Amino acid sequence: AQSVTQLGSHVSVSEGALVLLRCNYSSSVPPYLFWYVQYPNQGLQLLLKYTSAATLVKGINGFEAEFKKSETSFHLTKPSAHMSDAAEYFCAVTSIYQAGTALIFGKGTTLSVSS
Amino acid sequence: DGGITQSPKYLFRKEGQNVTLSCEQNLNHDAMYWYRQDPGQGLRLIYYSQIVNDFQKGDIAEGYSVSREKKESFPLTVTSAQKNPTAFYLCASSIIPPSFYGYTFGSGTRLTVV
Repeated sequence: AQSVTQLGSHVSVSEGALVLLRCNYSSSVPPYLFWYVQYPNQGLQLLLKYTSAATLVKGINGFEAEFKKSETSFHLTKPSAHMSDAAEYFCAVTSIYQAGTALIFGKGTTLSVSS
Repeated sequence: DGGITQSPKYLFRKEGQNVTLSCEQNLNHDAMYWYRQDPGQGLRLIYYSQIVNDFQKGDIAEGYSVSREKKESFPLTVTSAQKNPTAFYLCASSIIPPSFYGYTFGSGTRLTVV
């Protein structure tokens, strides 16, 4: 079975500070990992994805994430937070070896950005 | 532009009523999904479908029903058997398997019991 754990349901940073959102996964087969962002009362938008091509993945809006197999982690970072980054972020996992299986999502982390 | 359309955006239901949430996609995706979102609980899978006229229960299917008569459409009915239906409902679609591209989401329907 696969699962993801997002450490910290709420993260607060100042504008211009480093953003670090943590995601650890559990998977008995090679995982495919995703980060999504959700603004209030909207659907989820894909930020970036890891599909085994490269361990450091760059996404939209200046976000990036690094796949670390030894730590079973896929943390999301952004060097300098902007007010518009305030949203809820979800990590998700699946595997190509489980064809048709739905993505499994973490419980989400709400990012607050203060001026 | 291709995408997923969920309607209505807001829906109010009286106790004991069934209501149907609409989800339509023009992405030519084979798979479609329904998730329920509650504060602090993330996304929980209700039903998913990989082909027309076939669907599978997710983790919280009780009190819900779906149909997949057309590739483009995957409506969700919240029945009176669902004890706590107030939530944000998200529909998504994907190619099969979803592992390489992930999901495309609709903008959601907020259901409130009054």
